[in-house]
Amino acid sequence: EPEVTQTPSHQVTQMGQEVILRCVPISNHLYFYWYRQILGQKVEFLVSFYNNEISEKSEIFDDQFSVERPDGSNFTLKIRSTKLEDSAMYFCASSLGVNSPLHFGNGTRLTVT
Amino acid sequence: AQSVTQPDIHITVSEGASLELRCNYSYGATPYLFWYVQSPGQGLQLLLKYFSGDTLVQGIKGFEAEFKRSQSSFNLRKPSVHWSDAAEYFCAVGATDTGNQFYFGTGTSLTVIP
Repeated sequence: EPEVTQTPSHQVTQMGQEVILRCVPISNHLYFYWYRQILGQKVEFLVSFYNNEISEKSEIFDDQFSVERPDGSNFTLKIRSTKLEDSAMYFCASSLGVNSPLHFGNGTRLTVT
Repeated sequence: AQSVTQPDIHITVSEGASLELRCNYSYGATPYLFWYVQSPGQGLQLLLKYFSGDTLVQGIKGFEAEFKRSQSSFNLRKPSVHWSDAAEYFCAVGATDTGNQFYFGTGTSLTVIP
């Protein structure tokens, strides 16, 4: 069964550094998402992406965050200047369309020191 | 506003016992409801989904869930729990009027004892 893949599985970075989290969605899916889960808390929506543009974003997704689909397969989340509170598990997801289930990757654990 | 409530933070059951995990939602339109499972260090795996039709839906790993509109609930059940079912379970509602954004509950941690 097709899967959403995320790299790296664990990223450690220093406060103030830029990080790029990478995702390869399922190939025929049209909607792409980033969610995050701070340790011990619920999964929170960050952003959705469709037709090469952001369709929705949460208040968490401020100017420090950006997403890009640089080619036909990758979907990236960039954090420009990481803060300690950005430490979390970041999940990428994709779906075939609206009303379709989201398929999640295994996540990237980001640790900001 | 859309929201999902999972009243039980942690549940412990004996292997072979039945299981019910509660989920209540708040959503103005017809909800699209999902249950996901997260094993330690893993991603979120879809267990089952409800879009419309039969209110009792079957999922993978022997799980089922029943949509009750009158109670705004979508409880997850399994008749006989296996040790491998120990994990975190998340209920989610899909909000199709806001870019297919999913709202997750806070999760229920399931411990299975021999």
